[in-house]
Amino acid sequence: DQQVKQNSPSLSVQEGRISILNCDYTNSMFDYFLWYKKYPAEGPTFLISISSIKDKNEDGRFTVFLNKSAKHLSLHIVPSQPGDSAVYFCAATRPNFGNEKLTFGTGTRLTIIP
Amino acid sequence: GAGVSQSPSNKVTEKGKDVELRCDPISGHTALYWYRQRLGQGLEFLIYFQGNSAPDKSGLPSDRFSAERTGESVSTLTIQRTQQEDSAVYLCASSLAGRISYNEQFFGPGTRLTVL
Repeated sequence: DQQVKQNSPSLSVQEGRISILNCDYTNSMFDYFLWYKKYPAEGPTFLISISSIKDKNEDGRFTVFLNKSAKHLSLHIVPSQPGDSAVYFCAATRPNFGNEKLTFGTGTRLTIIP
Repeated sequence: GAGVSQSPSNKVTEKGKDVELRCDPISGHTALYWYRQRLGQGLEFLIYFQGNSAPDKSGLPSDRFSAERTGESVSTLTIQRTQQEDSAVYLCASSLAGRISYNEQFFGPGTRLTVL
């Protein structure tokens, strides 16, 4: 049972334009969401997160939006840069004391076209 | 500073053999996680260690899988009698504590395991 879904395996965007990556989840108990970025042969690196008490979190070129009623979140990157080309994973968790195991989506490969 | 390191980076083994994967977390990180990523899938939680508490083994797929951690240092993930479906990239992550809202997980580069 895939509790976190990224339905687009790949996305190509022109440099300078906006990249929008989408993620859906089914478990209503999730209340903290994260985006990780992964380059080949490297481990994922944390990008941005959002708590369920918010609907938007912004950090520089990256903004995450959360729609709890739709169980949907999205990552916006603007303007997109060639270095943004990577695989992006959406993850979710239920913060409780002592264990923050992450449930990941299958990833979206973003390619920025110069 | 030094990040999370894992060894070996690649491991090819024959079906039925045992393998041991190693993770060196960031110094001072009390929480350690193992995940795996099989081809075309997302990362899948395996096991979690936090200090001296009993580990959360709820993600281990079978009793062929086990992991140990000595205090707040090195962890080893052992897979006995490997099967072809065990082929995956095994990722280790560490964090300061169990509350991810305040402490992000830092991932190692992973060990790519191929079972022939």
